[in-house]
Amino acid sequence: NAGVMQNPRHLVRRRGQEARLRCSPMKGHSHVYWYRQLPEEGLKFMVYLQKENIIDESGMPKERFSAEFPKEGPSILRIQQVVRGDSAAYFCASCSMANTEAFFGQGTRLTVV
Amino acid sequence: EDKVVQSPLSLVVHEGDTVTLNCSYEVTNFRSLLWYKQEKKAPTFLFMLTSSGIEKKSGRLSSILDKKELFSILNITATQTGDSAVYLCAVAIQGAQKLVFGQGTRLTINP
Repeated sequence: NAGVMQNPRHLVRRRGQEARLRCSPMKGHSHVYWYRQLPEEGLKFMVYLQKENIIDESGMPKERFSAEFPKEGPSILRIQQVVRGDSAAYFCASCSMANTEAFFGQGTRLTVV
Repeated sequence: EDKVVQSPLSLVVHEGDTVTLNCSYEVTNFRSLLWYKQEKKAPTFLFMLTSSGIEKKSGRLSSILDKKELFSILNITATQTGDSAVYLCAVAIQGAQKLVFGQGTRLTINP
């Protein structure tokens, strides 16, 4: 049973480009969280999704950021027109139901140059 | 605003020492408290606590929750260099369906 898989592990984008981060949850998990971690800081909640449904996106910036979790395939976090301040590690976590522990992927480190 | 505060932010001890990490919280609708260990990359799950006063134990690690005083502690006895990591505390919010994380405690164990 593979764990939570995120790809790519490292992503470099120029300012103004788009970044797409993928997360495949653990087998049997239908809930996905996305978190952002800036250097020397804790994890900041961005969005919580179920299959085909955004449950809570209160931590997501209103512009340029979007997330989806389609019926088939991985969850995608999409950042349009990236800026230097978007450079961070983005972690995905999955769980089987809303009230169970979440397991994290290895993260995607996004660097905007 | 829901808030989770960990202390200390950084701790350096010698191998063999015992450490206690603190996590206090102020949230609207508490569901559970979770501890994670983060080394180079992904946080790994340690404990989930939902009831007050019941200690959870795993080897040299143990944790307990006090829902009246709104805090939890994570204890590590006989520390080893492999315990060096950032320890994250998170609170799961009922209804909001999200985990709110503290800033983490960076623990360094020197040989």
